[in-house]
Amino acid sequence: DGGITQSPKYLFRKEGQNVTLSCEQNLNHDAMYWYRQDPGQGLRLIYYSQIVNDFQKGDIAEGYSVSREKKESFPLTVTSAQKNPTAFYLCASSTPRGAPGGYTFGSGTRLTVV
Amino acid sequence: GQNIDQPTEMTATEGAIVQINCTYQTSGFNGLFWYQQHAGEAPTFLSYNVLDGLEEKGRFSSFLSRSKGYSYLLLKELQMKDSASYLCAPQRGNKLVFGAGTILRVKS
Repeated sequence: DGGITQSPKYLFRKEGQNVTLSCEQNLNHDAMYWYRQDPGQGLRLIYYSQIVNDFQKGDIAEGYSVSREKKESFPLTVTSAQKNPTAFYLCASSTPRGAPGGYTFGSGTRLTVV
Repeated sequence: GQNIDQPTEMTATEGAIVQINCTYQTSGFNGLFWYQQHAGEAPTFLSYNVLDGLEEKGRFSSFLSRSKGYSYLLLKELQMKDSASYLCAPQRGNKLVFGAGTILRVKS
């Protein structure tokens, strides 16, 4: 079955360390996205990529970096420059127009800074 | 966020009907998605509207008025498992922009 896989499910990081969150999809989707969700809030877009080797900043890109070397993979690095990284991170993928099936989400990674 | 307005919380009784409203800015609008999200889980797709009117899918229906920047999600025959957050997400260009969501509590 096709889907989108995020790993790990839970991640703990010490302050000052970089950490990379994995996102892999086998849906043959061109577009991939990273969102951040804080308690009681909606999803906010960090970065997105519409094609391999290309990506754009979303609304809250500061302190994050991404790469898109393969169609299937879109890893997110949370750098030490991100001042408040504790959050629930969601990866999604879609066809170019995003419809009719919408965006498929991974199960998320909960990052905690200790 | 992003000028998307939904009620913060709603409570309804099992078996009843509930309507969750959403208003949004119309600039760059390409379509509107509704997602359901249970606590700690990923959002799951419920419906998509691109033209004005009502889309019906089982117990769930979604309505769109493009000129008014308005949508609603209608849930019929409520079940306890419908207790969740419901996210209104207008599509702007190739990006989905999410509202803060409406927490729906279904009581017996």
